[in-house]
Amino acid sequence: GENVEQHPSTLSVQEGDSAVIKCTYSDSASNYFPWYKQELGKGPQLIIDIRSNVGEKKDQRIAVTLNKTAKHFSLHITETQPEDSAVYFCAASNNGNNRLAFGKGNQVVVIP
Amino acid sequence: DAGVTQSPTHLIKTRGQQVTLRCSPKSGHDTVSWYQQALGQGPQFIFQYYEEEERQRGNFPDRFSGHQFPNYSSELNVNALLLGDSALYLCASSWGFSGNTIYFGEGSWLTVV
Repeated sequence: GENVEQHPSTLSVQEGDSAVIKCTYSDSASNYFPWYKQELGKGPQLIIDIRSNVGEKKDQRIAVTLNKTAKHFSLHITETQPEDSAVYFCAASNNGNNRLAFGKGNQVVVIP
Repeated sequence: DAGVTQSPTHLIKTRGQQVTLRCSPKSGHDTVSWYQQALGQGPQFIFQYYEEEERQRGNFPDRFSGHQFPNYSSELNVNALLLGDSALYLCASSWGFSGNTIYFGEGSWLTVV
């Protein structure tokens, strides 16, 4: 099955700086890559996703890039704010089954 | 537009007991999946229901079973609870079982003592 890995496990950034989280996946058949933000005691909230026919997608301060050849995709958060502090999960799936394989998560801490 | 709703939010059960968790999908969604999230880990896929049938199953024992109702809502049942079943159980919904965006509920926190 699909194996998704995230790096680094914890990331601390100064408010206003950028944060980048990278994920790798193993299954070349995976073609859908969402990112979820999870705050303490809450469920995962979809923040951005990308499909394999696109190399980059941006939504305000958040962007995701995909490198299919290297099998990795990254989340970029610019102008970080304290409310960006949370655990971020990447996931991958074969679009044909909507079954998500998650990484272990990255704790992002934005220091005011 | 109501999102994915789950109940109960928290519950405590004794080892060996049975538990039922409930989920209502986001409006317009017909596919429900269940995930287990242990503390400090990413969610793990349990199974998926579409058209009232289990369509896919992850690596979970038969103690985990489910059901989907005609109104697309779903239940997750876990029998013979073990201490290791303590986790956050997440329900996710989408329209169709392929190719569409997946949304999660807030989860049900299960503690087995």
